[in-house]
Amino acid sequence: GAGVSQTPSNKVTEKGKYVELRCDPISGHTALYWYRQSLGQGPEFLIYFQGTGAADDSGLPNDRFFAVRPEGSVSTLKIQRTERGDSAVYLCASSSRAHTGELFFGEGSRLTVL
Amino acid sequence: AQSVTQPDIHITVSEGASLELRCNYSYGATPYLFWYVQSPGQGLQLLLKYFSGDTLVQGIKGFEAEFKRSQSSFNLRKPSVHWSDAAEYFCAVGAVGAGNMLTFGGGTRLMVKP
Repeated sequence: GAGVSQTPSNKVTEKGKYVELRCDPISGHTALYWYRQSLGQGPEFLIYFQGTGAADDSGLPNDRFFAVRPEGSVSTLKIQRTERGDSAVYLCASSSRAHTGELFFGEGSRLTVL
Repeated sequence: AQSVTQPDIHITVSEGASLELRCNYSYGATPYLFWYVQSPGQGLQLLLKYFSGDTLVQGIKGFEAEFKRSQSSFNLRKPSVHWSDAAEYFCAVGAVGAGNMLTFGGGTRLMVKP
C-alpha cells in the first residue's frame, strides 16, 4: 500500500508478557518515528530512526522498551515484561527530506495489557 | 524543552458556524508549528504547517492558522464548519534541525451539531 502500515491493529496481552509491534513505512522514507498515545492525550514521542540507526531514543520510558530497524525500512517496537500502564495506541510515522516537518502516520496498534 | 498547550479539551459548534481552536506553545527559538487532525479509525493527517514567512497559513479542507509570536500562539480557524470536520485536532511544535520530531498538545475534540 501507499501509506504507513502497522500490525497488529489490536493486541491484547497479559501482564508480564512480551510484545512486538511492527511498522512498515512509506517506501523511500528514510526517517521513522514511534509515538505512544494514551487515552485522551496527544501522541508522545518515543524514538526516531534515520536509516538503520536510532537518531534519538530519549522518549523511551524505560529499558523494557526498545526498537529496531535493521534494514532501514520496517521497524519493530519491542516491549518486555508488559505492565498495565503500557496500554495505549502505538503510532508509527515516516517522513522524507522532501516533506520537511510532515509526518505520515499509520493507524496505530492498540495495545491492551490485562 | 518545548511544550504545547491546547486549553480546550472539547468544543461543540453548529454546522455552518465559524471555528477557532486555540494552541499555545513554549519553545526557545523559532518553532516549526503544525496542526494535525485525527478522525476515528484513521491516522493523523497534516492540516497545515508554519515554518517561516507569512504568519497566516492556509491548509487543506478550508482550514487556516495564524502564528502570533508575541502571544506564542498558533490558533486554527475555519469560517464555516461541516459535519465531516468532527474529529480530534492536535497542535504540534517541532525543533529546527531536530529531524522532524514533534511535540504534540493534548488535543481538542470537535463535535459538530446539525
